[in-house]
Amino acid sequence: GESVGLHLPTLSVQEGDNSIINCAYSNSASDYFIWYKQESGKGPQFIIDIRSNMDKRQGQRVTVLLNKTVKHLSLQIAATQPGDSAVYFCAESYYNQGGKLIFGQGTELSVKP
Amino acid sequence: DVKVTQSSRYLVKRTGEKVFLECVQDMDHENMFWYRQDPGLGLRLIYFSYDVKMKEKGDIPEGYSVSREKKERFSLILESASTNQTSMYLCASRLGDVREKLFFGSGTQLSVL
Repeated sequence: GESVGLHLPTLSVQEGDNSIINCAYSNSASDYFIWYKQESGKGPQFIIDIRSNMDKRQGQRVTVLLNKTVKHLSLQIAATQPGDSAVYFCAESYYNQGGKLIFGQGTELSVKP
Repeated sequence: DVKVTQSSRYLVKRTGEKVFLECVQDMDHENMFWYRQDPGLGLRLIYFSYDVKMKEKGDIPEGYSVSREKKERFSLILESASTNQTSMYLCASRLGDVREKLFFGSGTQLSVL
């Protein structure tokens, strides 16, 4: 069945280093992908999205890469800061699915000072 | 800024009680959603609504019902709470179809004893 999963449940990086969080998806029909950040005690916050007609999209300190050949999504955070510590979720959707997002289980990012 | 407000941050209820979780959004969004979030399982969709008085079952609707009498308010109802409904409940809203951003509330941590 369709699923969105993350390769690693936890990731620890040094402050100032770049972080890469990975996500695999199984539905080749998915055409829209989103990354969310969830800090402790808060609801998920939108970070960045990408449509399937793109393979890269950049935001402020974040880049999302989409590899449709291997059904892989990644989130890159440049110069990781302590405030980036959170759980990161990827989500996928395709239009004919009626607008439902399918979320991965999340990766917990810890930033060491 | 977009605001999705959940009425309670923490709730403790007893088995068999009827429980109401309230969610209000101030963005005139058409679509509203209820998710539950459990460790290792990620976010799972319970119900969603794409218009006033309209509702659709999500992936895990059993044991829940919803009400949307006004556009800004979406209520989740546990008719007879059970211990396996102990979870974090997240409300979300979105303006239009899946290509619009999904905004989340801060969540309600429900404990059923």
